[in-house]
Amino acid sequence: QVQLQESGPGVVKPSQTLSLTCTVSGDSISSGGSYWSWIRQHPGKGLEWIGYVYYSGSTHYNPALKSRLRMSVDTSNNQFSLKLSSVTAADTAIYYCARDRGALSSPGWFDSWGLGTLVTVSS
Amino acid sequence: DIVLTQSPDSLAVSLGERATINCRSSQSVLYSSNNQNYLAWYQQKPGQPPKLLIYWASTRESGVPDRFSGSGSGTDFTLTISSLQAEDVAVYYCQQYYSTLSITFGQGTRLEIK
Repeated sequence: QVQLQESGPGVVKPSQTLSLTCTVSGDSISSGGSYWSWIRQHPGKGLEWIGYVYYSGSTHYNPALKSRLRMSVDTSNNQFSLKLSSVTAADTAIYYCARDRGALSSPGWFDSWGLGTLVTVSS
Repeated sequence: DIVLTQSPDSLAVSLGERATINCRSSQSVLYSSNNQNYLAWYQQKPGQPPKLLIYWASTRESGVPDRFSGSGSGTDFTLTISSLQAEDVAVYYCQQYYSTLSITFGQGTRLEIK
């Protein structure tokens, strides 16, 4: 059974970079086939897809966030990471990492999720 | 971006009754080459991450009770709970993966007990 766990600071100052890591157990990122994703949820609001990283290191980002995003993968530690630069209060949200099993060799649905971590942007 | 609009925003149903949640897409999510609808449904309970219920619009995820079913094609989809149980109180989201340039979710539908 795959498990994902987010880790990182709970508070980030405005204009700084938000950095989160997701540790995966029960599945190997390097096995391929899945898209390792980040999704966020503003307090009391709906879900926003942030982007994904593939085992090869290739990435795809939400166009609305693309200029501030960087995702990477560390297959040796079975982890993947998110960096979001120049944060503002609008980036305050619960950040989830999730596995996208892929749908016929393209991104699809999210079948496993981390518990989520609340990141607050505040000075 | 493909916009998904769910209706209603909130819904109150009596225990044992049927609950129906709709999701309308701004463009078709039916891929003609494989005749698959690129749509999924999730359930989110308070303080928990979303849980996958349905993918390919009507395929139930393993372990999901059979009172949950998905239907529809093209731009109009429905999640039905045939006999509402107390543990089904949650917010439900649809998600499209037709446009992988930008995966999008519906705004959510809150389901409560009447």
